Amino acid sequence: KAGVTQTPRYLIKTRGQQVTLSCSPISGHRSVSWYQQTPGQGLQFLFEYFSETQRNKGNFPGRFSGRQFSNSRSEMNVSTLELGDSALYLCASSLGAKTSTDTQYFGPGTRLTVL
Amino acid sequence: GQQLNQSPQSMFIQEGEDVSMNCTSSSIFNTWLWYKQDPGEGPVLLIALYKAGELTSNGRLTAQFGITRKDSFLNISASIPSDVGIYFCAGQPQTGNQFYFGTGTSLTVIP
Repeated sequence: KAGVTQTPRYLIKTRGQQVTLSCSPISGHRSVSWYQQTPGQGLQFLFEYFSETQRNKGNFPGRFSGRQFSNSRSEMNVSTLELGDSALYLCASSLGAKTSTDTQYFGPGTRLTVL
Repeated sequence: GQQLNQSPQSMFIQEGEDVSMNCTSSSIFNTWLWYKQDPGEGPVLLIALYKAGELTSNGRLTAQFGITRKDSFLNISASIPSDVGIYFCAGQPQTGNQFYFGTGTSLTVIP
């Protein structure tokens, strides 16, 4: 079974631009979560999508948005980029149904650099 | 939101030594997960725990789901240089479906 894939792996943008990141979950997984990781900040939860609906949301400004498609693939968009948005963006997939054995698997991440 | 306290924050050990780290939560969790992350890569799942008291091994790694369901432990025996990385705990509480993460333990193994 293929793992979680993220594209692109690396991205360089300038301040004020917008960016779209893509995540394809493990086959059969319906939940996709997005995280921002910066040095010293750990994993900061952005949002989670399940069955095309945003189910959970972290404390990020409205410039960060996402969506999920019917095939469970998800995209994350950041508008009006700021220098502080430079980070490793990780997505993780899971079954998403409330079971006693759900597990979250991560993709390799997209390294975004804002100049 | 839920807070996971992971300790220690960093560890510097000699090759061959054993390592222990732990994670505590403020509420009851149904699932505990342990991940390892190499620089610039996504976290890789090491061990998943689903029952209170459960003890699970993966090679030299052993993790336990605390009986209070509010903590978990990860032990690494006979550390080797490739154990270097950041270890994260994560859990899913009794209510809700979001996963919460600890702040990570940075492990350095000195040959």
